[in-house]
Amino acid sequence: DQQVKQNSPSLSVQEGRISILNCDYTNSMFDYFLWYKKYPAEGPTFLISISSIKDKNEDGRFTVFLNKSAKHLSLHIVPSQPGDSAVYFCAASAITGNQFYFGTGTSLTVIP
Amino acid sequence: DGGITQSPKYLFRKEGQNVTLSCEQNLNHDAMYWYRQDPGQGLRLIYYSQIVNDFQKGDIAEGYSVSREKKESFPLTVTSAQKNPTAFYLCASSMELAALEQYFGPGTRLTVT
Repeated sequence: DQQVKQNSPSLSVQEGRISILNCDYTNSMFDYFLWYKKYPAEGPTFLISISSIKDKNEDGRFTVFLNKSAKHLSLHIVPSQPGDSAVYFCAASAITGNQFYFGTGTSLTVIP
Repeated sequence: DGGITQSPKYLFRKEGQNVTLSCEQNLNHDAMYWYRQDPGQGLRLIYYSQIVNDFQKGDIAEGYSVSREKKESFPLTVTSAQKNPTAFYLCASSMELAALEQYFGPGTRLTVT
């Protein structure tokens, strides 16, 4: 059973506009969340994280929002750039656990 | 340059053969992991190792085996008992098991026919 879900397999956005990638989780014990970015033929690379004590974390053009009551997090990229075109995975972990659970990924295409 | 290497990038095998996927890291990380990715699914954990000579099963360990004889190396053997071995395999490492950021290798695509 998929504990972390990314319901949009793909997303296209114009350059300069906002990209919003969504992620839902089912396990209320999850308290740490990450986003990874993956280019073709490369492994995923860490992008940004958030812990459950916060509802927002920013790093440059990337902001992650966490809504614990809805068990939902989102990644905002503003402004979107063509180099942001990649597959984005969200992942979640419980502090008592030894592993991360990954979503299925969303393929973002930023159109110049 | 520090990082994780996986070789080969593409691997083809006949059904019934065991095959070993290589994973090496020079990041001096204690923890290492193997994941499998299938179309339409997230990364699923096969095995992880917290330290040399120790490893634990993940969610989908059946049909796989690992060893951790050296800190730098965590090879994964896909045995003939694995019913659906064709997949994309990713190796990762982190400073310690509880570390929140994992570093991934480029992956190996295994095709078994």
